[in-house]
Amino acid sequence: QVQLKESGPGLVQPSQTLSLTCTVSGFSLTSNSVHWVRQPPGKGLEWVGAIWSGGSTDYNSALKSRLSISRDTSKSQVFLKMNSLQTEDTAIYFCTRWHYYDGYEGFAYWGQGTLVTVSS
Amino acid sequence: DTVLTQSPALAVSPGERVTISCRASESVSTLMHWYQQKPGQQPTLLIYLASNLESGVPARFSGSGSGTDFTLTIDPVEADDTATYYCQQSWNDPLTFGSGTKLEIK
Repeated sequence: QVQLKESGPGLVQPSQTLSLTCTVSGFSLTSNSVHWVRQPPGKGLEWVGAIWSGGSTDYNSALKSRLSISRDTSKSQVFLKMNSLQTEDTAIYFCTRWHYYDGYEGFAYWGQGTLVTVSS
Repeated sequence: DTVLTQSPALAVSPGERVTISCRASESVSTLMHWYQQKPGQQPTLLIYLASNLESGVPARFSGSGSGTDFTLTIDPVEADDTATYYCQQSWNDPLTFGSGTKLEIK
């Protein structure tokens, strides 16, 4: 059974660094990509970035200078680090698996999300 | 980046047919996907690759389109379909989502 679960601090001070962990089960990180998607309160979904099965990463160009995504395959964990946080980074952060095979693709599996509030 | 434009909101009565549109700023071939998000929940995949119904999704949902114009249709609409619907493309980098269409059932 595929599962993803986000964890991290609920509150971060402005200008500080956000560290989130996505712990997955039911699939291998070396065979699947995991993405981060965020959603400010009351607003739409924004793709943040991804780590692909081979370990390469892609980032939202607007966040790229502040963002780092990495993983520990032995622990089935994906990490997001974002520095210089501002109030506009307040959002629910979801991790999601990009499910892909011939004739199929999409974000088929999502974590429940974790709310991050940037405030002093 | 590929911008996906959706109308912000729709209101329909149960039993009616509703179409939700998504227009891309450039071609995305058929690599368009649709998600449903209910308040307080994570999104769920409804339609992948423009017209394919995700397993377990009721056949009341269908998708169509290619290139820059796509449609999600719900027929007939039920009260439980109250949600925000997002399109998402995977043809161009980076992946992008539409701004969402909030569907209200009268």
